[in-house]
Amino acid sequence: GDSVTQMEGPVTLSEEAFLTINCTYTATGYPSLFWYVQYPGEGLQLLLKATKADDKGSNKGFEATYRKETTSFHLEKGSVQVSDSAVYFCALLSGAGSYQLTFGKGTKLSVIP
Amino acid sequence: EAGVTQSPTHLIKTRGQQATLRCSPISGHTSVYWYQQALGLGLQFLLWYDEGEERNRGNFPPRFSGRQFPNYSSELNVNALELEDSALYLCASSPRSGRDQNIQYFGAGTRLSVL
Repeated sequence: GDSVTQMEGPVTLSEEAFLTINCTYTATGYPSLFWYVQYPGEGLQLLLKATKADDKGSNKGFEATYRKETTSFHLEKGSVQVSDSAVYFCALLSGAGSYQLTFGKGTKLSVIP
Repeated sequence: EAGVTQSPTHLIKTRGQQATLRCSPISGHTSVYWYQQALGLGLQFLLWYDEGEERNRGNFPPRFSGRQFPNYSSELNVNALELEDSALYLCASSPRSGRDQNIQYFGAGTRLSVL
């Protein structure tokens, strides 16, 4: 079945540091890939997406590239801010027509001033 | 434009009772999804409704059920509550066609506590 593996947290960074959160996946077919973010006490917000190989999703300074050859979708940001402190989830939507998202376990990021 | 709205925000029940959670999708979205976010278990898919029909179901017992109404809003019912049902229940919606077809937009969730 489909699965998503993302790096275990928590991750603590100083403001303006470079962020990478690794995400790899296993899926049948050609999935769409997503990063969602969950701020404390809130639901999930879509951060970025990519629907086919070599697509790069980007939003609010965050980027991730759909790498089919390595089955990866790593999240990066060049300079994090305190306001980026949240839990980040990598997810896939299988191309097999089930329309259910499969999520990684989430990575908690804390950015300190 | 209003996002996905869920009610109530918090719900406290005792073991054996029934819980009803409600979700209103974004206007124009016909698909509604339910997910459970339990401590230590991550986000797990529960149910998918589209055009009033249950289209897919996750690995949950039958006491988790729901329905979708003609206005596309949805209810999730959990019968015979158990302590391990305590979790944040998230609802998401998506359109069935168009540019955003495969994007699920989430509500803020209902936190269910079973005592």
